[in-house]
Parts: sequence; C-alpha cells; structure tokens
Amino acid sequence: KAGVTQTPRYLIKTRGQQVTLSCSPISGHRSVSWYQQTPGQGLQFLFEYFSETQRNKGNFPGRFSGRQFSNSRSEMNVSTLELGDSALYLCASSLARTGRGNTEAFFGQGTRLTVV
Amino acid sequence: SQQGEEDPQALSIQEGENATMNCSYKTSINNLQWYRQNSGRGLVHLILIRSNEREKHSGRLRVTLDTSKKSSSLLITASRAADTASYFCATVGNQGGKLIFGQGTELSVKP
Repeated sequence: KAGVTQTPRYLIKTRGQQVTLSCSPISGHRSVSWYQQTPGQGLQFLFEYFSETQRNKGNFPGRFSGRQFSNSRSEMNVSTLELGDSALYLCASSLARTGRGNTEAFFGQGTRLTVV
Repeated sequence: SQQGEEDPQALSIQEGENATMNCSYKTSINNLQWYRQNSGRGLVHLILIRSNEREKHSGRLRVTLDTSKKSSSLLITASRAADTASYFCATVGNQGGKLIFGQGTELSVKP
C-alpha cells in the first residue's frame, strides 16, 4: 500500500509569490490534515479536511488556504509569501477524522519550503 | 500553540541503554500518540494510547499514560543507533480534529 505522497519535496520561492503544495493520502483514507513545522514554533496544525470539507482550522492567517478533492487528494496554498513561511509542511492522512475512533495519522515526507 | 511539554529536550545515551521521554499536556484528551522524526523528514507513528488505557507495549516501546497527572512517558528499551531521532507526543482532544504536538525530545544513541 502506497504511503502519503507530498509534492514537491523542496521548493524555493520569493517573497510575495504564492505556492501550492499537494498531498495524496493513502488509498481509502478520507481525512487529510496539514501541519507546519518550524524550529521556533514546532509542529502546528493548519487545517483538517474530510469528505471535501474543511472541518477544522488552526490559528493561521487567511493567506493559508486549502481544499480537498473528491478523490481525497488535498492541496494547500499560501499566498503573498513571507520569509516566516519558510518551513516543513507536513500532510497526514487517516481513515476517519483525526482522533475519531482512535485512528492513527500517517504522515508524508513533507515539502520543505524556503522563502527568499 | 503546543499543548504538550516534553522533557528532556535532548537525551544522549549509549547503545543498549534504555531511553525514557516524558510528555505533559494541559487539557482533557481522547488519545495520545507518539511519533518519531528522522532529520526533518516525515513523522512515523509509533504508538497510540487511549485515554482509558494506562500502559501499552509495542516491541521495544512501552508507553504509559496518567490522565490524573496529564502526563505520558515513552520508554525505549535496549536502544540502538538507529533509534537516533526526534520523538514527539501528540494529543487529540475530545472533539478530535487535530493533533497537538509537544516540542519533542531529541534522542541521540551512540554506538
């Protein structure tokens, strides 16, 4: 069974640009969540999608958005990039919504975004 | 914002020794999970313990949960150099929906 696939693995963008990151969950998983990891703030929750609907959102500005498609694949978009957006962005998939039914989350390898 | 606090922040041991990492959290939980991360790569799920469980084992891993103290510990027995990684605890609240991570413990196992 293929794991969670995130593309691209590495990305360098300039301040002010926008970026789209992609996540393909494990086959059959309907829940996709996104996390940002930085040395200063650690791992922080961005959003959770289930059945194409955003179910939960973390404390991030509106520049961060996402969506989920009917095949459960998800994308997240960051507009007007700032230097502080440089981070490892991790996607996690699970069968049910995170925490429901005590299901575990499986993470992808992440996309490392560098904003210059 | 992180809910969990982990200690120690860094731990260095010799191969064969046991490693114990602790995690404390602030609010009621549905479950608590432990993850491993190698060198800024993806997180690998290690073990999930439900709020009504007190102890769980998986191979060389032993996790305990004390909901009255809002704390958990991860014990890795007979550590190996390959166990060198960062270890994170993550809690899921009763409403679910997201993992709240601690700051992590950086474990170094020297051969």
